[in-house]
Amino acid sequence: QVQLQESGPGLVKPSETLSLTCAVSGYSISSGYYWGWIRQPPGKGLEWIGSIYHSGSTYYNPSLKSRVTISVDTSKNQFSLKLTSVTAADTAVYYCARVALGSSLPFDYWGQGALVTVSS
Amino acid sequence: QSVLTQPPSVSAAPGQTVTIPCSGTSSNVEKNYVSWYQQLPGTAPKLLIYDRNKRPSGIPDRFSGSKSGTSATLGITGLQTGDEADYYCGTWDSFLSAVVFGGGTKLTVL
Repeated sequence: QVQLQESGPGLVKPSETLSLTCAVSGYSISSGYYWGWIRQPPGKGLEWIGSIYHSGSTYYNPSLKSRVTISVDTSKNQFSLKLTSVTAADTAVYYCARVALGSSLPFDYWGQGALVTVSS
Repeated sequence: QSVLTQPPSVSAAPGQTVTIPCSGTSSNVEKNYVSWYQQLPGTAPKLLIYDRNKRPSGIPDRFSGSKSGTSATLGITGLQTGDEADYYCGTWDSFLSAVVFGGGTKLTVL
């Protein structure tokens, strides 16, 4: 069974960098699939941040692209998110997920989510 | 403002059938298949439907998806109280080059 687990600071100061890691178990990232990050502000809907392949190939949400970096560490079977220059608007639950095969790019396995609050 | 449009809420009685619409454009829903997710309170979204009405293992056939032009629909038959949740549609937008979601629909089972 594929499992994903987000980890990282729950509180980040404005203008600083948000960093999260997603540890994957039950499946080797090197075997394939894209892996992604999605966030959900409190009481609001889902927003896709970006996705990465095990080779390191990435694609990002154009609205966040200038501030986002997603990287992968196949030796640790994990991938990471960095979001720079954060503001209160970046406060959200951040989910990592696997992108299943399909033209709708469905996310079939999700982590439990990590709440990150941006506040001084 | 979400790229895909969903009604904020729908409701129906137990045992009844409900449909949740998802409206998009020629660059997303019309061009690509749609995925549907169920999010129970305090939990991560769960994939219900993807591509041409495919269901991941364990998802009952009470859940179904369809698409016509720029609109997609999630159907749920035999409603149960456990179906009370937020439902989201999502797909790839070829113009934006991004995965886009609807704003979500809260289903209440009366």
